[in-house]
Amino acid sequence: AQKVTQAQTEISVVEKEDVTLDCVYETRDTTYYLFWYKQPPSGELVFLIRRNSFDEQNEISGRYSWNFQKSTSSFNFTITASQVVDSAVYFCALSKGVDSSYKLIFGSGTRLLVRP
Amino acid sequence: DTGVSQDPRHKITKRGQNVTFRCDPISEHNRLYWYRQTLGQGPEFLTYFQNEAQLEKSRLLSDRFSAERPKGSFSTLEIQRTEQGDSAMYLCASMVPGETQYFGPGTRLLVL
Repeated sequence: AQKVTQAQTEISVVEKEDVTLDCVYETRDTTYYLFWYKQPPSGELVFLIRRNSFDEQNEISGRYSWNFQKSTSSFNFTITASQVVDSAVYFCALSKGVDSSYKLIFGSGTRLLVRP
Repeated sequence: DTGVSQDPRHKITKRGQNVTFRCDPISEHNRLYWYRQTLGQGPEFLTYFQNEAQLEKSRLLSDRFSAERPKGSFSTLEIQRTEQGDSAMYLCASMVPGETQYFGPGTRLLVL
């Protein structure tokens, strides 16, 4: 069975601090996808990144970076120099790979509060 | 705006009433998904369609729930005889297989 664990329920930081959100996943599939979504107070899930199980390269996009490590089944997300607008709930998700339903299995989310 | 849209955004109903939600996917996306999110939790998969065919239903989808996508475009999710436990955010997403799911703004349901 597939499972995603986000152990950090809530994180509070002061603006400009760096923050890392942890994600640990379980799957028996050799091909899978990992995702991060952001959910601001409005409720809409905003896509941030998708990573294929065969691609372990870390990725950086502006202030955001992602560290994918298959050896520890982790897909952590770091925000550098956090801003108040980063305050939201962040979800890590997992789906099976090619020729599957691609349904997403979500973690329980990490609520990030960035204080001015 | 060519994103996923959902209607209504908010719905308050009394226990026992029927409700119907609509989702319009991104036009070129042939897959459409429904999820349910309760307070403090991540979204949970309910069902999905490929074109007009409903290919999978979660055990969460009791017999009071029914979803359709009659022409392979928009989809409806109906809940009959609503219960207080049905109060949640209902999210719709669409995708091209192998790509990324994009979500709509959701419908918040409150059953009194």
